[in-house]
Amino acid sequence: EPEVTQTPSHQVTQMGQEVILRCVPISNHLYFYWYRQILGQKVEFLVSFYNNEISEKSEIFDDQFSVERPDGSNFTLKIRSTKLEDSAMYFCASSSITTFGNTIYFGEGSWLTVV
Amino acid sequence: QQQVKQSPQSLIVQKGGISIINCAYENTAFDYFPWYQQFPGKGPALLIAIRPDVSEKKEGRFTISFNKSAKQFSLHIMDSQPGDSATYFCAGGDSNSGYALNFGKGTSLLVTP
Repeated sequence: EPEVTQTPSHQVTQMGQEVILRCVPISNHLYFYWYRQILGQKVEFLVSFYNNEISEKSEIFDDQFSVERPDGSNFTLKIRSTKLEDSAMYFCASSSITTFGNTIYFGEGSWLTVV
Repeated sequence: QQQVKQSPQSLIVQKGGISIINCAYENTAFDYFPWYQQFPGKGPALLIAIRPDVSEKKEGRFTISFNKSAKQFSLHIMDSQPGDSATYFCAGGDSNSGYALNFGKGTSLLVTP
């Protein structure tokens, strides 16, 4: 079964440092997403990406965040100048719109710890 | 603003029993309602989903009931098994917003042997 793969699985970084989280979405999927989940809390939408541009973003996705699809397979989330409150599990997801709806497949997540 | 409210926060059910988790949504633009299952340390996995033009959808032991007028939907897990013990999230999505999902806070389900 095709899956979304994410790297790294866990990263520890110092406050103020830049972090890049990488994702390989399912091939032939057209929509890409980043979500985050602070420990013990709900999954929160960050950003969606379609046709090489951001289609939607939440209030969380401020100027310190950026996304990029540098080539035909990777999708990255960059966090500039990380803060303690950025510590969370970050999930990449991808989907292909069907006539029924949108089946979004999530990766296993990248656990970011900011110290 | 919490667009999707989920209850209960936690649930304990005996093996073979029925687990029921409820959600209510506020955004009438939502036209897609999935349920996700999440095990510790793993990403959410799609369990079952429904569109608002049907009132019920069943897949195996999992059933979604949907009440559009009340803006509520629920997940029923029949013949609950210990392997069903996980956190369940309901969500709402809007096709005009790229289906960005708004998740509920989750329900931690424990099925006892």
